[in-house]
Amino acid sequence: EDQVTQSPEALRLQEGESSSLNCSYTVSGLRGLFWYRQDPGKGPEFLFTLYSAGEEKEKERLKATLTKKESFLHITAPKPEDSATYLCAVQIAGGTSYGKLTFGQGTILTVHP
Amino acid sequence: NAGVTQTPKFQVLKTGQSMTLQCAQDMNHEYMSWYRQDPGMGLRLIHYSVGAGITDQGEVPNGYNVSRSTTEDFPLRLLSAAPSQTSVYFCASSYSLAGFEQFFGPGTRLTVL
Repeated sequence: EDQVTQSPEALRLQEGESSSLNCSYTVSGLRGLFWYRQDPGKGPEFLFTLYSAGEEKEKERLKATLTKKESFLHITAPKPEDSATYLCAVQIAGGTSYGKLTFGQGTILTVHP
Repeated sequence: NAGVTQTPKFQVLKTGQSMTLQCAQDMNHEYMSWYRQDPGMGLRLIHYSVGAGITDQGEVPNGYNVSRSTTEDFPLRLLSAAPSQTSVYFCASSYSLAGFEQFFGPGTRLTVL
């Protein structure tokens, strides 16, 4: 069964304290791994797509990396406005699940000033 | 572009009532989907559509109906609401079925009493 596990469940950082969020996945064949940010009361907002092991993408203070079994979202010198829930999702290649996104539970990030 | 829009934002129903959650997108996306988000369960796929006139079930389709008569609209119908359908519902769209990021709407918070 396809599984996506995110850790930690919650992370509290001081402003400027860099850290990483983890997304481990077990799937039959990966078409893509997606990172989203979700603010309270809003829909998920797309951040990155990673397609193959070794790929990296960056946006402002965020950097996403991918290996064959996990992805990391690195946050460098975070600011309070980076506080949100970060969701990881995988899309399977082929089979009956084709196109469907399987989400992890999310990591709640809180950045204190 | 308005992106993905959903109405209503909030809704309270009594057990047994029916209603339709509206979803529209103005990006000419072929792929549209409905998810529900519950605490501790993450986002789960209800139904999806790969184009006008084509729909299919996701992982939690029971109690829900969909149709796709136009590219823009993808309504979700609750046939006979149950308390177990209390959740936050998100509609999403993407350019194509596989490998492309999905853009989410702002969500509908539904309570069934």
